[in-house]
Amino acid sequence: DAGVIQSPRHEVTEMGQEVTLRCKPISGHNSLFWYRQTMMRGLELLIYFNNNVPIDDSGMPEDRFSAKMPNASFSTLKIQPSEPRDSAVYFCASTLGQSSEQYFGPGTRLTVT
Amino acid sequence: AQSVTQPDIHITVSEGASLELRCNYSYGATPYLFWYVQSPGQGLQLLLKYFSGDTLVQGIKGFEAEFKRSQSSFNLRKPSVHWSDAAEYFCAVGPPGFQKLVFGTGTRLLVSP
Repeated sequence: DAGVIQSPRHEVTEMGQEVTLRCKPISGHNSLFWYRQTMMRGLELLIYFNNNVPIDDSGMPEDRFSAKMPNASFSTLKIQPSEPRDSAVYFCASTLGQSSEQYFGPGTRLTVT
Repeated sequence: AQSVTQPDIHITVSEGASLELRCNYSYGATPYLFWYVQSPGQGLQLLLKYFSGDTLVQGIKGFEAEFKRSQSSFNLRKPSVHWSDAAEYFCAVGPPGFQKLVFGTGTRLLVSP
């Protein structure tokens, strides 16, 4: 099993640019989570999907952030326009069913200059 | 609202010594509790979890944790630390039957020779 795959692993962009982060969950998993990790705020849940449907997006910081899951094997997190305070490591995780382990991807380190 | 407190930001332990990482949670009922480990540049890996039953749970890599309802704690222990255990450790809490987790701020473990 390849695990959760995230791309790119590193992204450096200028303020105002659009950024798209990608995630491929583990095959067969039906829930997907996007997290953001920073030194100041730790690990925060941004949004999660169940069976491709967004269930809770209360953690999305503002309208500049959007997430989609067009099918069971792919999700995107988009930031438009990006700002320096968006610099963080963004993790994707997936799980099968409730009450089970969340499997994390390696993360995307985003730097906005 | 549920919350997790990890009071120790950094802990240094000598190789071969015992380890205890503290975790306190705030939740209205018995939650699901987790410990994750994050090595540098990596995603989070589940060490162990508590859902119900025996309050002493065993995990991978020789770790164990004990749920103490009266103290709202879920401390992580290991009898003998190895240099490869140096990493950041996160405690997380979630409501039963649900997947939305709240993470603590993490404890960074350093292992001295």
